Amino acid sequence: NAGVTQTPKFRVLKTGQSMTLLCAQDMNHEYMYWYRQDPGMGLRLIHYSVGEGTTAKGEVPDGYNVSRLKKQNFLLGLESAAPSQTSVYFCASSGLGRELFFGEGSRLTVL
Amino acid sequence: DQQVKQNSPSLSVQEGRISILNCDYTNSMFDYFLWYKKYPAEGPTFLISISSIKDKNEDGRFTVFLNKSAKHLSLHIVPSQPGDSAVYFCAARGFGGGSNYKLTFGKGTLLTVNP
Repeated sequence: NAGVTQTPKFRVLKTGQSMTLLCAQDMNHEYMYWYRQDPGMGLRLIHYSVGEGTTAKGEVPDGYNVSRLKKQNFLLGLESAAPSQTSVYFCASSGLGRELFFGEGSRLTVL
Repeated sequence: DQQVKQNSPSLSVQEGRISILNCDYTNSMFDYFLWYKKYPAEGPTFLISISSIKDKNEDGRFTVFLNKSAKHLSLHIVPSQPGDSAVYFCAARGFGGGSNYKLTFGKGTLLTVNP
């Protein structure tokens, strides 16, 4: 019963480096989301997808790109990492009109 | 502009007593509200939800109340247990499909239940 799996769980980057966070879900959910959590800021939506091949911007999309080539996977990319992107990133998925299921999070530090 | 507000960053209660966590929202298009619980180093987990057509929903020790006219909801935990110590997020969703299925979260309230 994997649910939502995020890789990697931890990563340290230098400013300007690029990386991709992978999210995989095995619940056949249509909707997938990427959130970031920062102290005192709660959970803020970066990008989301309402189905395979579709993506849309959330509250804080700048500096990130996403792709949903397969229904079960949602990738979050940072092309040129900045210290402001130091955060904990959560992927989530949901069925139609149901609650979100979250992964365990990926802690990213940008030096 | 924050659409979902949790004005208390923290709350401390004694074991066995009632915990009341509050949440206010500004967007009248929200029609479904959820509470999530988060332990350190884990992802948020769904706790309880309520539709805008109801004013109360219960699940064991957890009850959520919705006051639509005041755009306010609250989560009651009775009796509180030390294992309930966590950050609680209030979230809201608009009606309809597509982009309305995304959740807007509050900043969270850290609940500490003292033995």
